[in-house]
Amino acid sequence: DTEVTQTPKHLVMGMTNKKSLKCEQHMGHRAMYWYKQKAKKPPELMFVYSYEKLSINESVPSRFSPECPNSSLLNLHLHALQPEDSALYLCASSRETSANGELFFGEGSRLTVL
Amino acid sequence: DAKTTQPPSMDCAEGRAANLPCNHSTISGNEYVYWYRQIHSQGPQYIIHGLKNNETNEMASLIITEDRKSSTLILPHATLRDTAVYYCIVIVEGAQKLVFGQGTRLTINP
Repeated sequence: DTEVTQTPKHLVMGMTNKKSLKCEQHMGHRAMYWYKQKAKKPPELMFVYSYEKLSINESVPSRFSPECPNSSLLNLHLHALQPEDSALYLCASSRETSANGELFFGEGSRLTVL
Repeated sequence: DAKTTQPPSMDCAEGRAANLPCNHSTISGNEYVYWYRQIHSQGPQYIIHGLKNNETNEMASLIITEDRKSSTLILPHATLRDTAVYYCIVIVEGAQKLVFGQGTRLTINP
């Protein structure tokens, strides 16, 4: 199993809603990542978890709240988002805690904030 | 991490070799060259990486110049499914971040 699974594939939410994006991998990887990608732009790193602990937060607004409940799961909790937060949210994992190893990406969750 | 420069777009005919250049003139000795690609509506996919020597795998070949200031990713027999954005990324050993640049949008034409 070399997959990173993200759910839901599409999400539409209002600015007052609370929702979550979920990411799962069963490869025994030690690091997991959240990226945000706007249309026709490269992915931008948001968070890095190593051994289930947050190791990098790229100054992401607090309306995005990551959580790593166990080594296979990574969540991104969303609250009071703005329309400009509409984007493709990509999850990735890697065997090692450095980016020198191959990162495996999911297909993303496409978020629309109304 | 060293900055990379790639052409914004390239075209290649199906069946031909696609050669994607990347300039990384400020690369340091402990920095690796990585290539990822992103097909439309999918997550990025690892292709290949190297430090000094040329590398080849089932997907592509990576040619790194002797001074390491530039590299070329070669897709030997491009197919329509190789149409994607290709990212050249330089990563220092032990870095926790994979930071994407603007990449090259490669279009394979029939």
